[in-house]
Amino acid sequence: EPEVTQTPSHQVTQMGQEVILRCVPISNHLYFYWYRQILGQKVEFLVSFYNNEISEKSEIFDDQFSVERPDGSNFTLKIRSTKLEDSAMYFCASREDRVGYTFGSGTRLTVV
Amino acid sequence: QQQVKQSPQSLIVQKGGISIINCAYENTAFDYFPWYQQFPGKGPALLIAIRPDVSEKKEGRFTISFNKSAKQFSLHIMDSQPGDSATYFCAASKGWGAQKLVFGQGTRLTINP
Repeated sequence: EPEVTQTPSHQVTQMGQEVILRCVPISNHLYFYWYRQILGQKVEFLVSFYNNEISEKSEIFDDQFSVERPDGSNFTLKIRSTKLEDSAMYFCASREDRVGYTFGSGTRLTVV
Repeated sequence: QQQVKQSPQSLIVQKGGISIINCAYENTAFDYFPWYQQFPGKGPALLIAIRPDVSEKKEGRFTISFNKSAKQFSLHIMDSQPGDSATYFCAASKGWGAQKLVFGQGTRLTINP
């Protein structure tokens, strides 16, 4: 069964540093998403991406965040200057039209 | 308006019993209601989903009941097994295309052997 692949599985970074979280969505999917989950809390929407541009972003997705699909397969989330409160699991998801979302296994980001 | 409220927060059920998790929504534009299962350290995995044109959907031991007038939907797990122990999230979205999922708060389900 096709999977959404995320790397790395765990990243530790110093406060103020830039991080890039990487995702390889399922190849024929059209819509791409980033969600995050702070430990023990619900999954929160960050951003959706379609046709090489952002479709929607949440209040969490401020100027410190950016997304990119640099080639036909990767989808990245960049946090420019990490804060302690950015520590969370970050999930990439993708979907075809009219079909459910498939989530990756996540990247655990720890900001110290 | 965008919220999905889920209860209970945690649930303990004996093996073989029925697990029931409830969700309520406010936004009548929502028209896709999935349930996700999440094991520790893993991403949410789609379990079962329903659209508001039906009141019930069953897949194996998992059933979604949907009450459009009450704006509520629930997950029933029949003959619950220890392997069902996980966190369950309800969610909702509106339309197709790039629409986002709005998640409930999650229910930690424990099935005692």
